[in-house]
Amino acid sequence: DAGVIQSPRHEVTEMGQEVTLRCKPISGHDYLFWYRQTMMRGLELLIYFNNNVPIDDSGMPEDRFSAKMPNASFSTLKIQPSEPRDSAVYFCASSLAGTGYNEQFFGPGTRLTVL
Amino acid sequence: QKEVEQDPGPLSVPEGAIVSLNCTYSNSAFQYFMWYRQYSRKGPELLMYTYSSGNKEDGRFTAQVDKSSKYISLFIRDSQPSDSATYLCAMSRNTGGFKTIFGAGTRLFVKA
Repeated sequence: DAGVIQSPRHEVTEMGQEVTLRCKPISGHDYLFWYRQTMMRGLELLIYFNNNVPIDDSGMPEDRFSAKMPNASFSTLKIQPSEPRDSAVYFCASSLAGTGYNEQFFGPGTRLTVL
Repeated sequence: QKEVEQDPGPLSVPEGAIVSLNCTYSNSAFQYFMWYRQYSRKGPELLMYTYSSGNKEDGRFTAQVDKSSKYISLFIRDSQPSDSATYLCAMSRNTGGFKTIFGAGTRLFVKA
């Protein structure tokens, strides 16, 4: 299996632009998570899905952030409009229900820089 | 106050040293305690997990959980330069979904 795939790996954009991050989870996994990682705040859970349905979006910082999962093999995280404080590494992770510890498999991340 | 507190370090040790990494938490509902390892410019990977209290050993790594003190530890024996990474503690409840709370991560450098 190729693991969790994220694209793009790097994104540099200007303030006010729309940014779309993409994720392909591991085939067969039924949970998908979006995280943001910064030096100041560490790894923060933004939203997670179960069987393509959003379960908890309490970590989404503002209405500028939105996430969708139209099918079991694809999810997007959109920021519109982007701001410099959104600069971070965004990780997508997937997991399979059945274990309480819920091992999550992370993608390589998208490094976002908003100028 | 954060649910999970972890000293970000950095922690620098010589090769062969015993390393102790720690986290404290405030939510007594946590039942699963995990350690993830994150190499530079990579995503985190699960290293070990423990259910409830007690110790768990895997090679050079030992995870300890003290629920009475709300304190967890990861010990690395005979540390190697390849252990240089960021170590994140993580916790989740037994019920109520699969939300996992991560610590900030401790950056570890093992010098050859």
